[in-house]
Amino acid sequence: KNQVEQSPQSLIILEGKNCTLQCNYTVSPFSNLRWYKQDTGRGPVSLTIMTFSENTKSNGRYTATLDADTKQSSLHITASQLSDSASYICVVTHKAAGNKLTFGGGTRVLVKP
Amino acid sequence: NAGVMQNPRHLVRRRGQEARLRCSPMKGHSHVYWYRQLPEEGLKFMVYLQKENIIDESGMPKERFSAEFPKEGPSILRIQQVVRGDSAAYFCASSPSDSNQPQHFGDGTRLSIL
Repeated sequence: KNQVEQSPQSLIILEGKNCTLQCNYTVSPFSNLRWYKQDTGRGPVSLTIMTFSENTKSNGRYTATLDADTKQSSLHITASQLSDSASYICVVTHKAAGNKLTFGGGTRVLVKP
Repeated sequence: NAGVMQNPRHLVRRRGQEARLRCSPMKGHSHVYWYRQLPEEGLKFMVYLQKENIIDESGMPKERFSAEFPKEGPSILRIQQVVRGDSAAYFCASSPSDSNQPQHFGDGTRLSIL
């Protein structure tokens, strides 16, 4: 079964600190992996997208890594800000199913002052 | 340069009524996807459409749900005879033809069934 599992489910960090979110997937064959940020009451917004051959991608203070051998990805947030409080969703594209995305359950991050 | 537009943002229906959710994709995007997000859960794929064609509806319930993306106008997700379990946020996303391009999401329609 094609699945995407994220950990932790939720996370509280102090403003200015770093954190790392994890994503394990079993989707195969795999086309690309994306990280999205979803603010409360809003739609997800793309942060990074990585293909099979890429193992790191940055977008400002967000850095995603990908290990296609172990089917793991991480999202690292550097110097967190209050506006980073959101759900972070790992999404894997199933290559054999068109552009269909499989979503993880997300990690809820709360940044406290 | 508008993003994906969904309306209404909030929709309240009584059990047995019909709900129509609209989605206008980003300019130049011909691929539309609908997802459902139940409270405290992740997004679940429902249906994938291109202009006038349903490409993949494997995530959509067989009864009461239908979707279309006509040649002119927005994509419509239609739910007939709504039940309480249909209460959820429904998100639409669009992308250009390249599968390695990110899908751009609208802000969703929150459907509440009384």
